[in-house]
Amino acid sequence: GIQVEQSPPDLILQEGANSTLRCNFSDSVNNLQWFHQNPWGQLINLFYIPSGTKQNGRLSATTVATERYSLLYISSSQTTDSGVYFCAVLGGGADGLTFGKGTHLIIQP
Amino acid sequence: DGGITQSPKYLFRKEGQNVTLSCEQNLNHDAMYWYRQDPGQGLRLIYYSQIVNDFQKGDIAEGYSVSREKKESFPLTVTSAQKNPTAFYLCASSFQGFNYGYTFGSGTRLTVV
Repeated sequence: GIQVEQSPPDLILQEGANSTLRCNFSDSVNNLQWFHQNPWGQLINLFYIPSGTKQNGRLSATTVATERYSLLYISSSQTTDSGVYFCAVLGGGADGLTFGKGTHLIIQP
Repeated sequence: DGGITQSPKYLFRKEGQNVTLSCEQNLNHDAMYWYRQDPGQGLRLIYYSQIVNDFQKGDIAEGYSVSREKKESFPLTVTSAQKNPTAFYLCASSFQGFNYGYTFGSGTRLTVV
């Protein structure tokens, strides 16, 4: 099946810093989503972005499908941005999203 | 408000017992999914259903069973055959097809005692 690798696995930043999270995938995809999991376990859908660029406030994402990677940008980090960020993809023939292992982000005040 | 509800939030199971986790959605989504998350890991697909009365095994279906008798409901039973059931279980739903985002419930944390 399709492989999803996220980097870095852990990231510790000061409040106000910017960050870039990366997601590499091993095959062409029909669907790519970024999620944020808060400390209580709730997964929030940030972006549906199989290709191109989207922005939502301080967050933006870019997927270059031909090169099989996606980037999530967080600007002016806040402590509430802490948590685990997951990239998930849907490849051809698959019927459910395949998740990476996530990037654990800690924003310190 | 539309959403997806999982219950209970916490569940304790004795060895040899079957337990059922509830998942209900009022988003009019066609497809529903069950995922398992272990500490420090990503999510792994257990079962999914694209339409009522039909469901398919995911990557780790052994020891689990599901039913889809109503569009809104997709309960998961963790059977005694599941040797390591302690985990965080997440239910999701989406419209059918490739071009839609998933909405997740808040999860059920299952512990074997």
